[in-house]
Amino acid sequence: GENVEQHPSTLSVQEGDSAVIKCTYSDSASNYFPWYKQELGKGPQLIIDIRSNVGEKKDQRIAVTLNKTAKHFSLHITETQPEDSAVYFCAASTNAGKSTFGDGTTLTVKP
Amino acid sequence: DTGVSQDPRHKITKRGQNVTFRCDPISEHNRLYWYRQTLGQGPEFLTYFQNEAQLEKSRLLSDRFSAERPKGSFSTLEIQRTEQGDSAMYLCASSFWGADNEQFFGPGTRLTVL
Repeated sequence: GENVEQHPSTLSVQEGDSAVIKCTYSDSASNYFPWYKQELGKGPQLIIDIRSNVGEKKDQRIAVTLNKTAKHFSLHITETQPEDSAVYFCAASTNAGKSTFGDGTTLTVKP
Repeated sequence: DTGVSQDPRHKITKRGQNVTFRCDPISEHNRLYWYRQTLGQGPEFLTYFQNEAQLEKSRLLSDRFSAERPKGSFSTLEIQRTEQGDSAMYLCASSFWGADNEQFFGPGTRLTVL
């Protein structure tokens, strides 16, 4: 089955700096890679996603890159703000639809 | 609110009791997923439905767990003879298969087994 590894497990940045979270996956059949933000006591919230036919996608301060050959993808947050503090999860899925998640990155943005 | 809803939000039960959780997906979504999340981990897939058909079950889903989606709308997840190891957050997500298949999650049901 699919295995997703996520690094780092914790990340602390100063407000205004950039944050990068990296994930690797094992199943070459995976073709959809969403990123979720989870705040305490809430369910994961989809923030951006990328499909295997695209190498990069950007939405305001958030961008995701995908390297299919190396089987890794990354989340980039620029100009971080304190409200970006949360746990971020990457995931990988195939046409079957179910997602395999990484173990999460706790991002802390210090004012 | 037209998002995914789950009920109850919290459940405390004694070991050996049965519990049932409910998930109401986004109305036009035909796929519904159940995941389990323990502290410090990402969600783990349990099972999913397309309309009323249960298409896949994880080996995490022991015979004490059963899920239904009788009319292709809401779903229930029942755990029989609960064990302390069942304590976790149970998350439901829904998507529209055939389009983007973006999964939207509900707030989860936190189960504590004493």
